[in-house]
Amino acid sequence: GAVVSQHPSWVICKSGTSVKIECRSLDFQATTMFWYRQFPKQSLMLMATSNEGSKATYEQGVEKDKFLINHASLTLSTLTVTSAHPEDSSFYICSARLLAGGKDTQYFGPGTRLTVL
Amino acid sequence: GDSVTQMEGPVTLSEEAFLTINCTYTATGYPSLFWYVQYPGEGLQLLLKATKADDKGSNKGFEATYRKETTSFHLEKGSVQVSDSAVYFCALTEGNNDMRFGAGTRLTVKP
Repeated sequence: GAVVSQHPSWVICKSGTSVKIECRSLDFQATTMFWYRQFPKQSLMLMATSNEGSKATYEQGVEKDKFLINHASLTLSTLTVTSAHPEDSSFYICSARLLAGGKDTQYFGPGTRLTVL
Repeated sequence: GDSVTQMEGPVTLSEEAFLTINCTYTATGYPSLFWYVQYPGEGLQLLLKATKADDKGSNKGFEATYRKETTSFHLEKGSVQVSDSAVYFCALTEGNNDMRFGAGTRLTVKP
């Protein structure tokens, strides 16, 4: 089946540094990938929609200059948390959209846990 | 816009009890409906889905039926196990739109 990977699976960084998270579709091409954020014991919140070759679409309230998204190829999207602060600590999950055989399915990555000290 | 409302948790059941987690949705058209499960420390996994009215999704003993008349997609299992302890998310997607999730319901099954 379709697999989506994320790297790293967890990261600890100091306040003020930037962190890049990669999302890869391993065995399919995804023109659209999504980035979600999950706070403890809460639901996923969509942050942005990443489209290959174009600018990401951010949800209301998400700072695009803080959460930089680059979808440079059909199998890779990156989320960079710039100048991270403790309040950015969260579980970040990506998903990749597969359109095949008349079906439209999203596959989720395993998530990346970010802890900002 | 499209949205999903699901039963608030947490839900605590004894092993072999019957489970229902309610989910209702609001959508302008005809969404596809999903249940995802998140085990502790892991990412989301698709549990089951239904793409049109009256479809029943099922997997691992869980079932949910797409009810257009009541805009619902309630999750049920006849006999839960300790290993079913997890957070369950109801979600929908419509057309080319992204997925909208409910708040999640934490289920704890005690032996």
